[in-house]
Amino acid sequence: GENVEQHPSTLSVQEGDSAVIKCTYSDSASNYFPWYKQELGKRPQLIIDIRSNVGEKKDQRIAVTLNKTAKHFSLHITETQPEDSAVYFCAASKDDYKLSFGAGTTVTVRA
Amino acid sequence: NAGVMQNPRHLVRRRGQEARLRCSPMKGHSHVYWYRQLPEEGLKFMVYLQKENIIDESGMPKERFSAEFPKEGPSILRIQQVVRGDSAAYFCASSPRQGASTGELFFGEGSRLTVL
Repeated sequence: GENVEQHPSTLSVQEGDSAVIKCTYSDSASNYFPWYKQELGKRPQLIIDIRSNVGEKKDQRIAVTLNKTAKHFSLHITETQPEDSAVYFCAASKDDYKLSFGAGTTVTVRA
Repeated sequence: NAGVMQNPRHLVRRRGQEARLRCSPMKGHSHVYWYRQLPEEGLKFMVYLQKENIIDESGMPKERFSAEFPKEGPSILRIQQVVRGDSAAYFCASSPRQGASTGELFFGEGSRLTVL
């Protein structure tokens, strides 16, 4: 099955700096890569996603890049704010409903 | 739209008891998915159901776990004879059609099961 690895497991950044989270996947058939944000005790919420026919996607301060050859994708958050503090999960899917999640990155934005 | 509703939000059971977790999908959604999140880990797919049908249960443990999504009422994830290793957050998600890549997969707030 699909194996998704995510790094780093924790990330502390100064407010206003950028945060980068990286994920690798094992199944070359995967074609959909969403990112979820989960605040403590809350549900995961989709923040951005990318499909395998696209190399980069941006939505305001959030961007995702995909390198299919290397089988890795990354989340970039610019101009971080305290409300960006949360756990971020990457995921990969080829079945379109069976998401394989990374272990998560706890992001702390220091004021 | 009330979103995906899960209950109970917190459930405590002793070893050997049964746990029933309920999920009401968003209005208009007929596809339901259950995921389990162990402490400090990502979510793991368990089962995908449509009304009265189990489409994919490849992530369900072979014993003690079952899921249903009846014609009427919520989807139910049932865990019989719970053990401490079943302690986790169980998330339900729903979508109006199959798939997450439509961007229309919504998660509930989860049910946190603690087994004493």
